[in-house]
Amino acid sequence: AQRVTQPEKLLSVFKGAPVELKCNYSYSGSPELFWYVQYSRQRLQLLLRHISRESIKGFTADLNKGETSFHLKKPFAQEEDSAMYYCALSSSNTGKLIFGQGTTLQVKP
Amino acid sequence: GAVVSQHPSRVICKSGTSVKIECRSLDFQATTMFWYRQFPKQSLMLMATSNEGSKATYEQGVEKDKFLINHASLTLSTLTVTSAHPEDSSFYICSAGDRRGNTGELFFGEGSRLTVL
Repeated sequence: AQRVTQPEKLLSVFKGAPVELKCNYSYSGSPELFWYVQYSRQRLQLLLRHISRESIKGFTADLNKGETSFHLKKPFAQEEDSAMYYCALSSSNTGKLIFGQGTTLQVKP
Repeated sequence: GAVVSQHPSRVICKSGTSVKIECRSLDFQATTMFWYRQFPKQSLMLMATSNEGSKATYEQGVEKDKFLINHASLTLSTLTVTSAHPEDSSFYICSAGDRRGNTGELFFGEGSRLTVL
């Protein structure tokens, strides 16, 4: 069964501290993984996808197939990073996204 | 990026009435749209996949007679909550993929908050 797990509901850090939002998945095929972000009072938007291997707003995420993980990292958190972060897995057959429970990142000044 | 728009953004209705929510892809055609439901401070739960010109595919546990989905054109899908009850109060979000980009990315609407009195 397809499943995405984000074990932390809330992650609170101080500005400038490193951040790691955890994500684990289970999928029987070759997964496509994404991180979406929802800032306060805004719609959900794509942050990054594993295929592109890019860094967006200082965030990176590496797909580790051995550990079935896709953790999101940023070396120095900024206050504007405070938001809800969702890890998501896409089924290549149907295109639908399955979301994790979400992690609220709170960056304190 | 591509734009998905929902209407209305907020709706309040009496118990027993039906409510229709529209989802439009503004600058691209979407053969498939997805409807999600989000409870406060919780994740998005996929309700159904809306397929243009054919029946929607519902996720397990979602009542298809309760949540009617129509995808009559390549830019419009509608979700009708029939005989709404207070427990149907939620945030409903639609999404669609712009297959021209072929990236698997989904674009999300701003969501529609339904309150059933």
